[in-house]
Amino acid sequence: GAVVSQHPSRVICKSGTSVKIECRSLDFQATTMFWYRQFPKQSLMLMATSNEGSKATYEQGVEKDKFLINHASLTLSTLTVTSAHPEDSSFYICSGGLGNTIYFGEGSWLTVV
Amino acid sequence: GENVEQHPSTLSVQEGDSAVIKCTYSDSASNYFPWYKQELGKRPQLIIDIRSNVGEKKDQRIAVTLNKTAKHFSLHITETQPEDSAVYFCAAGYGNKLVFGAGTILRVKS
Repeated sequence: GAVVSQHPSRVICKSGTSVKIECRSLDFQATTMFWYRQFPKQSLMLMATSNEGSKATYEQGVEKDKFLINHASLTLSTLTVTSAHPEDSSFYICSGGLGNTIYFGEGSWLTVV
Repeated sequence: GENVEQHPSTLSVQEGDSAVIKCTYSDSASNYFPWYKQELGKRPQLIIDIRSNVGEKKDQRIAVTLNKTAKHFSLHITETQPEDSAVYFCAAGYGNKLVFGAGTILRVKS
């Protein structure tokens, strides 16, 4: 069945550096993918809609210059956390849809030290 | 934009009793209402969903009801078992874009 794969599952980076998270649709094409962030013991918060071949649409309060989203192909969307700080440490998860079904990636734990 | 409220934040029930979790949404354009179970650090697991052209859906011990007029939907779990203990999230969306509720920690006491 359709799968969304996310990489890396865990990443530790130093404060001030950038880190990229990849989200791939493995056997379907996704013109739109979604990125969520989840702090411990909290809900999934929609960050942005990733649109293939065009700019991402960011939710209110999400800094587009800090969370760079690129969707250069129909099977790959990337989220880059730029100039990461400890408060960016969180669980990031993507999703893509095929027909009426939504598939989530495995999620990526980001720890900024 | 869409706003989803979920209640209660925690729910403790005795094994065998029923559990009900309620959500309200704000955007009348939303037409898809899934419920997820999530373990810490894992992807959400879909347990049941309903679309706006349906008022109720049932799958064994789990049911979801939707009231479009009032913009609320509910998850009903009957004959609860200890393994139902988990964090549950409701969501509302249009297309594949979802906005999640705050979550409910369900504890089933044996």
